[in-house]
Amino acid sequence: RKEVEQDPGPFNVPEGATVAFNCTYSNSASQSFFWYRQDCRKEPKLLMSVYSSGNEDGRFTAQLNRASQYISLLIRDSKLSDSATYLCVVNWRYGGSQGNLIFGKGTKLSVKP
Amino acid sequence: DTGVSQDPRHKITKRGQNVTFRCDPISEHNRLYWYRQTLGQGPEFLTYFQNEAQLEKSRLLSDRFSAERPKGSFSTLEIQRTEQGDSAMYLCASSPHWNSGANVLTFGAGSRLTVL
Repeated sequence: RKEVEQDPGPFNVPEGATVAFNCTYSNSASQSFFWYRQDCRKEPKLLMSVYSSGNEDGRFTAQLNRASQYISLLIRDSKLSDSATYLCVVNWRYGGSQGNLIFGKGTKLSVKP
Repeated sequence: DTGVSQDPRHKITKRGQNVTFRCDPISEHNRLYWYRQTLGQGPEFLTYFQNEAQLEKSRLLSDRFSAERPKGSFSTLEIQRTEQGDSAMYLCASSPHWNSGANVLTFGAGSRLTVL
């Protein structure tokens, strides 16, 4: 099983649609989870952290299921400007290591008019 | 500019040459990371520092790669005897040491390497 796995897409959706991405991770000791956004030919930027209780930021909702080791991102009322690659990121802890951040390959979203 | 700076932005080199990239993190950030990204892939972890200490190094990092952060400020990533497979975007990121922010990375714009 890959460390952090995502459906690469692309997801092609019309404006206003609701779209959901899932991500699975293999290290059960992981403690921190994030979604980053990467625009074409740009660096990744933090979209939101993912908390155990779930969290929302405007049109974006993130959920964490520790038992099943997956993370989700829901985008409501999608905008053209949401077109980007969404990267799932997991803090990777093992032994006494403080851990580093492991990125998934990303899910590409394209929002069409 | 208080962001993460990387230099050079682009480097074209011939196979077998050595290249060095520099990263200047956000000044108050203790942690500095190097990642490599190829087209269609997510950033792949290479190594990270806390202050001047190199705390982790990916198993994927061959002996031709070395990174330093001698004074706990800027960092360099050197690739010796470059191969065509080294062609990628090399991303640097930094984060604060304090607990809730330690995992929030701010990336630089990257250094794109092309090995001919």
